[in-house]
Amino acid sequence: DSGVTQTPKHLITATGQRVTLRCSPRSGDLSVYWYQQSLDQGLQFLIQYYNGEERAKGNILERFSAQQFPDLHSELNLSSLELGDSALYFCASSVEADSYSYEQYFGPGTRLTVT
Amino acid sequence: SQKIEQNSEALNIQEGKTATLTCNYTNYSPAYLQWYRQDPGRGPVFLLLIRENEKEKRKERLKVTFDTTLKQSLFHITASQPADSATYLCALPQAGNTGKLIFGQGTTLQVKP
Repeated sequence: DSGVTQTPKHLITATGQRVTLRCSPRSGDLSVYWYQQSLDQGLQFLIQYYNGEERAKGNILERFSAQQFPDLHSELNLSSLELGDSALYFCASSVEADSYSYEQYFGPGTRLTVT
Repeated sequence: SQKIEQNSEALNIQEGKTATLTCNYTNYSPAYLQWYRQDPGRGPVFLLLIRENEKEKRKERLKVTFDTTLKQSLFHITASQPADSATYLCALPQAGNTGKLIFGQGTTLQVKP
């Protein structure tokens, strides 16, 4: 158990809908990262927050947005969902902002299926 | 642009042997490199971090090397066990963007009893 929690575990929804994925980092970790993993793309970095502020951005679609709240939990909002958005979404946390020098702890993931 | 390459073919070895996985990268000189293990349907688990000034790092049966001249990292599992069967990912920070880790596609290791 990494100490990172994600809800829900599974999500099935229709195209065009909007969903919110939630992540609670490990106690004491200030950085939260979101990743998307699909079979053909591998693990893709979406966005990082550090202590409430956006820190780094990957190839995150405009239909996707995220935020980190004062209690450090984070939410990833996915809207106007398309079939291609079906994937595993992982949240990870680390103690500091610089991902390269600190290990990241991954949550169990949310499996999103868009039908 | 930066590129990370891991052998996409699965590596099948016999229990007790040493597994060696390769991570090659181009167009970049990272200060650190990380290795993660991922089991099907689960989140990656951090294994080892090695810095550019460290040639080798060990943790129990695991050993990582980092050759900045060859732009390559090797990940070794000695005395492999069926429980070591998983996908192993290497990860590097994106140049100029310390918040972003780029992951390789991973190599799947299958250890047969």
